[in-house]
Amino acid sequence: KQEVTQIPAALSVPEGENLVLNCSFTDSAIYNLQWFRQDPGKGLTSLLLIQSSQREQTSGRLNASLDKSSGRSTLYIAASQPGDSATYLCAVRDSAGGTSYGKLTFGQGTILTVHP
Amino acid sequence: GAVVSQHPSRVICKSGTSVKIECRSLDFQATTMFWYRQFPKQSLMLMATSNEGSKATYEQGVEKDKFLINHASLTLSTLTVTSAHPEDSSFYICSAPPRGPSTDTQYFGPGTRLTVL
Repeated sequence: KQEVTQIPAALSVPEGENLVLNCSFTDSAIYNLQWFRQDPGKGLTSLLLIQSSQREQTSGRLNASLDKSSGRSTLYIAASQPGDSATYLCAVRDSAGGTSYGKLTFGQGTILTVHP
Repeated sequence: GAVVSQHPSRVICKSGTSVKIECRSLDFQATTMFWYRQFPKQSLMLMATSNEGSKATYEQGVEKDKFLINHASLTLSTLTVTSAHPEDSSFYICSAPPRGPSTDTQYFGPGTRLTVL
């Protein structure tokens, strides 16, 4: 059974800092890995999706890396801003099953607070 | 981009009543939709996979008679929490991958906050 763990559980940084969020998964047979952002009481916004064959993806100030063999992914946020404050969730889609619409296994999330 | 809506966004009900939550894909068709539950300060846990025109697939530990799922069309799935109790209070989120060549992306609804008194 796939298990996803995120470290740290919470992070508070001053504005402008670069930061790294970590995600690890127990079963390396994944189809892809996705990072989401969730604001309090809201749904999920997809930030980056990395296919199992890829090493990293970038979008603006965000960079996500994937090391499938070691079961790890990191989300790097450059020059953090107060607007980045949210919960960041990592989710993996397993390749097992053979279906086109695999379910996602989520980590517990990292609560990020960027203070001015 | 693709949009998934949920209705209602928030519901408060008395213990013992049933509550229906709708999940709609607004600009794409989805043969499959997923229902997740999120307790406070916890992550999303998959409850069930909703399949258009067939029975839903439930995750281990989820009571199918309590959480009724109907996926009657390619754009609508409903989750009915029957005889709701306070322990069912949670944030319910649905997601849907668009049917088509690109099956990697899933779009999430904004969630429904259920409070059972």
